[in-house]
Amino acid sequence: SQTIHQWPATLVQPVGSPLSLECTVEGTSNPNLYWYRQAAGRGLQLLFYSVGIGQISSEVPQNLSASRPQDRQFILSSKKLLLSDSGFYLCAWQPNTEAFFGQGTRLTVV
Amino acid sequence: GQNIDQPTEMTATEGAIVQINCTYQTSGFNGLFWYQQHAGEAPTFLSYNVLDGLEEKGRFSSFLSRSKGYSYLLLKELQMKDSASYLCAPSPGGSYIPTFGRGTSLIVHP
Repeated sequence: SQTIHQWPATLVQPVGSPLSLECTVEGTSNPNLYWYRQAAGRGLQLLFYSVGIGQISSEVPQNLSASRPQDRQFILSSKKLLLSDSGFYLCAWQPNTEAFFGQGTRLTVV
Repeated sequence: GQNIDQPTEMTATEGAIVQINCTYQTSGFNGLFWYQQHAGEAPTFLSYNVLDGLEEKGRFSSFLSRSKGYSYLLLKELQMKDSASYLCAPSPGGSYIPTFGRGTSLIVHP
């Protein structure tokens, strides 16, 4: 069976610190992978998506970047966090039409 | 671009029926997702409509009218556990990536 793992579940980071969130998928190959962010009181915003190793598309210019070093690994990064980067970050994968979400990381930048 | 409109909040009584409407304007259109999201958790898939008409799945049904840019989610025999946000997410032409609105917060009371 296919599963998606995302960690950590919660994170508190100071302004200006770096960020690395990791997402891995098991039981499938060459999945479409996504990073979404949900700010307080707002909808899910697509940040990045990837259709294969090294292939990243950015939806919204911002203080974040993404990488896909392996087929089933998707990483969200920042060199220097801003207060506005706080939110609920969700990784998702899409085997066909349905998108499955990881458990999410609640990031608080202080 | 995408424009997705759904009510911000709805309330209903346990055992009742509720209909959550969604109108959308997208750059092309492949289909429309409905997701359920409980507070602090990741969204879970409810339905995906491609063709016009009603699709029923247990207590939940979803309707789509492509020509009108309109969909609704119908929840029957409401239970307290149905209190959650319901996210309407059309996928624009050329992709199956869900594009989310802000969601409708449904409160079910006894």
